[in-house]
Amino acid sequence: QVQLQESGPGLVQPSGTLSLTCTVSVGSISDGYWWSWVRQTPGKGLEWIGDIHPGGTTNYNPSLKSRISMSIDTSKKQFSLRLTSVTAADTAIYFCARENYHDSRLLDYWGRGTLVTVTS
Amino acid sequence: QSALTQPPSVSGAPGQGVTISCTGSSSNFGAGYDVHWYQQVPGTAPKVLIYGSRYRPSGVPDRFSGSKSGTSASLVITGLQAEDEADYYCQSYDGSLSYAVFGGGTHLTVL
Repeated sequence: QVQLQESGPGLVQPSGTLSLTCTVSVGSISDGYWWSWVRQTPGKGLEWIGDIHPGGTTNYNPSLKSRISMSIDTSKKQFSLRLTSVTAADTAIYFCARENYHDSRLLDYWGRGTLVTVTS
Repeated sequence: QSALTQPPSVSGAPGQGVTISCTGSSSNFGAGYDVHWYQQVPGTAPKVLIYGSRYRPSGVPDRFSGSKSGTSASLVITGLQAEDEADYYCQSYDGSLSYAVFGGGTHLTVL
């Protein structure tokens, strides 16, 4: 049973940078799956942010592409998200998930999510 | 505006059945990409309910079934139980947008 856990600051200042890490505590991070970030806001529902392969290849949501970067550290079984120039619109619950890239991007295991609030 | 369209809410009495629709387009369902359905109880992470348009993960009751035809997909829940009250999301891949897309979510109320 794969287990994922998000970690990072719950508060970020406007125009600042949101940084989150997802740790895969059970299961492998290097067995061919991709790893995704998804966020959820009351007004917009679930929004796919981007994904990363253990080899480092990334795909980003075009609406966020200019502000996001993702990285992965397979030795630590962690992958990370950075979102720059945040505004109140980036306030959301952020989930990390395991992605089945070749199965219409099925997200079969999710972390519990972490609430990030953009506020001064 | 979501690439996949779901009704905001549906409801049904215990024991009855409901259908949740998910309307896509030629660049997702119509292009052959599967639909996945997630159930989300408030305060928790989404959980896979149906994957590959019609397959249930182990542990998901057979009261839940999924289908896809053309540019539309459906989730059918029979024998409604109070514990089914939750939000349901459809998800697929869009070949034109080049990323995973979700429906806006449907809240199921068990009357």
